[in-house]
Amino acid sequence: GQSLEQPSEVTAVEGAIVQINCTYQTSGFYGLSWYQQHDGGAPTFLSYNALDGLEETGRFSSFLSRSDSYGYLLLQELQMKDSASYFCAVPNQAGTALIFGKGTTLSVSS
Amino acid sequence: DAGVTQSPTHLIKTRGQQVTLRCSPKSGHDTVSWYQQALGQGPQFIFQYYEEEERQRGNFPDRFSGHQFPNYSSELNVNALLLGDSALYLCASSLGADPSPTNEKLFFGSGTQLSVL
Repeated sequence: GQSLEQPSEVTAVEGAIVQINCTYQTSGFYGLSWYQQHDGGAPTFLSYNALDGLEETGRFSSFLSRSDSYGYLLLQELQMKDSASYFCAVPNQAGTALIFGKGTTLSVSS
Repeated sequence: DAGVTQSPTHLIKTRGQQVTLRCSPKSGHDTVSWYQQALGQGPQFIFQYYEEEERQRGNFPDRFSGHQFPNYSSELNVNALLLGDSALYLCASSLGADPSPTNEKLFFGSGTQLSVL
C-alpha cells in the first residue's frame, strides 16, 4: 500500500525557519506534492517535486530524495499567516488521485 | 475566474438519512474528484468523475455515490448516514483527458462540513 508519515505539530516564532519532513511508502512513484490548509479553508497547492533536489518558490522551498523516499517543506521568514496545516501527498498507483499524509499543524507565534 | 465552488457549506443530518453535496469545478476543468477529510486527518480519496463517468474509486462503500453533469459539475450522494460520516467533504477539480501520471496540482473547494447526529 501507500502511506506517508509527517510530524503532527510544529511550533515556531515569526521570522524563523521551519522544516516539515515527510517520508513515504509507495508502489510506483510519480512525485511529492505539498498543500497548505488554513482552518476551515480549502487545501491549496504549494509545490511539487518529481525529481531529486530543491525547488524554491519565494519563502517556501521543497526538497525530494527519491532514494530515501523522503522530502521536506522549508518555510523561511515565517509570518503569522503561515499558521496552518501542511500536507504532503503522493499520487495513487493509477496516478489519478492523491494520497495525503495526516498533516502537520504549524503554529507561528510572535 | 471562479474557482471550485461547493454547496452547502454546512449541513446537519441524522443517522440513516441521505445527503447530496454539490460541486462546480474551476472554469475550464473537466475532472472532479471528491475527498473526505475527518477532523485532524488528511483528505481521503472517495472517487473521481470524468466525462460523466466514475473513473476511479477509493476505499469507500457503495453508500457513497456520485454523478457528473454535462457542464462538468458534480454531486456526491451518501445514503444511510452513519455517525462516522461526519467530516469535511472536499471537491477538487483538474483537467485530464487521460489519467494524469502526476496529478501534481489539484484545485480544491472550501468543502461542505457534514455533521451526522
